[in-house]
Amino acid sequence: QLQLQESGPGLVKPSETLSLTCTVSGGSISSSSYYWGWIRQPPGKGLEWIGSMYYSGSTYYSPSLKSRVTISVDTSKNQFSLKLSSVTAADTGVYYCAITGTGVLATHSWGQGALVTVSS
Amino acid sequence: DIQMTQSPSSLSASVGDRVTITCRASQGISNYLAWYQQKPGKAPKLLIYAASTLQSGVPSRFSGSGSGTDFTLTISSLQPEDVATYYCQKYNITPWTFGQGTKVEIK
Repeated sequence: QLQLQESGPGLVKPSETLSLTCTVSGGSISSSSYYWGWIRQPPGKGLEWIGSMYYSGSTYYSPSLKSRVTISVDTSKNQFSLKLSSVTAADTGVYYCAITGTGVLATHSWGQGALVTVSS
Repeated sequence: DIQMTQSPSSLSASVGDRVTITCRASQGISNYLAWYQQKPGKAPKLLIYAASTLQSGVPSRFSGSGSGTDFTLTISSLQPEDVATYYCQKYNITPWTFGQGTKVEIK
């Protein structure tokens, strides 16, 4: 079973770029027909889907974040990454990486989450 | 974009009670609806996908139903370990929007 682990800075300054990496273990990221994605949760609030990348390379982003988000995959390191530019305090929260299956299969595997605080 | 509305936003019930949470989509989504359970400080856990298919390892007291725009998550007999926030998510087309969540507590 695939396992996920987020990593990256826990503190980011306003206007800078938030960068997180998700390391996949238990299988190859390049040989699996999955969507590799990110979901976030502001403190005390609900879940927000950020975006996903299909294993073929197609990307899908939340319309509200599309202008600031990039999701990419590094198959040599079995990792995928999130970059969110021009952050503000509203981007503070726990960021989860996750795997979504194809067809009727939903988001079935999640990382433990990484808290990112945007503050000067 | 399709909006997902859950109700109620919170509920309190006794151990052994039957609990029902509803999720309504602003447009039809066929059966592309999932339910997640999130306990404090933990990542969400998939309970049900395709509106009514129980994820492997999830207790059978959880069940889902519905299609199109109206969906239901039912806990047939509430247990203390079911205290959590529950979210629905539609995933027919992107964006894969979540409902706002329903917090379940023990009375």
